[in-house]
Amino acid sequence: EAQLLESGGGLIQSGGSLRLSCAASGFTFSNYAMNWVRQAPGKGLEWVSVISGSGHYTYYAASVEGRLTISRDNSKNTLYLQMNSLRADDTAVYYCAKSCSASNCHRFDAWGQGTLVTVSS
Amino acid sequence: DIQMTQSPSTLSASVGDRVTITCRASQSVSSWLAWYQQKPGRAPKLLIYTASSLESGVPSRFSGSGSETEFTLTISSLQPDDFATYYCQQYKSYPLAFGGGTKVEI
Repeated sequence: EAQLLESGGGLIQSGGSLRLSCAASGFTFSNYAMNWVRQAPGKGLEWVSVISGSGHYTYYAASVEGRLTISRDNSKNTLYLQMNSLRADDTAVYYCAKSCSASNCHRFDAWGQGTLVTVSS
Repeated sequence: DIQMTQSPSTLSASVGDRVTITCRASQSVSSWLAWYQQKPGRAPKLLIYTASSLESGVPSRFSGSGSETEFTLTISSLQPDDFATYYCQQYKSYPLAFGGGTKVEI
């Protein structure tokens, strides 16, 4: 059974940086694309970014392009999200989510428990 | 970009009711549509994929239908554990997108 565990969230000032991590287990990590999905307090789900199983391609939501960077280390079974130039509207619970294939199937069949990022202005 | 619109945003129902939630896409997503259930303070859980395929372990009272731009999630007989928020998601093209959610409450 796939298990995902996020860490790295916290309180950060506007303009600051933070790096989130997601440790994966229970599946062959490099065989699956991985995503970050966020949820602002009391709001719906917003897809943020995806990285292919190999790490060769990435895509981002327009709202985070140029500020957030997704990466992965397949030797450590870990997904990352580097968050720079943070704004108040980045405040959310950030979930890592597993896609259903390495590159071209992006329904999310496993989710972490989420990590809260709070950006204070 | 493909926009996903769900209706209603809130639905009041009782145990045993048949419940239907609608999701519309701004352009065709073929059958690349998933449904998720989320309870307060918890991560979402995949229920349905490719519009009508039931995820392993999900009760058969959940079903999905539709294609192209119009989709429905049906709960045939609402159970106490089903009171939650439901989201649709298109995964035909980037950016991936969720609907705004439908809260099913008593």
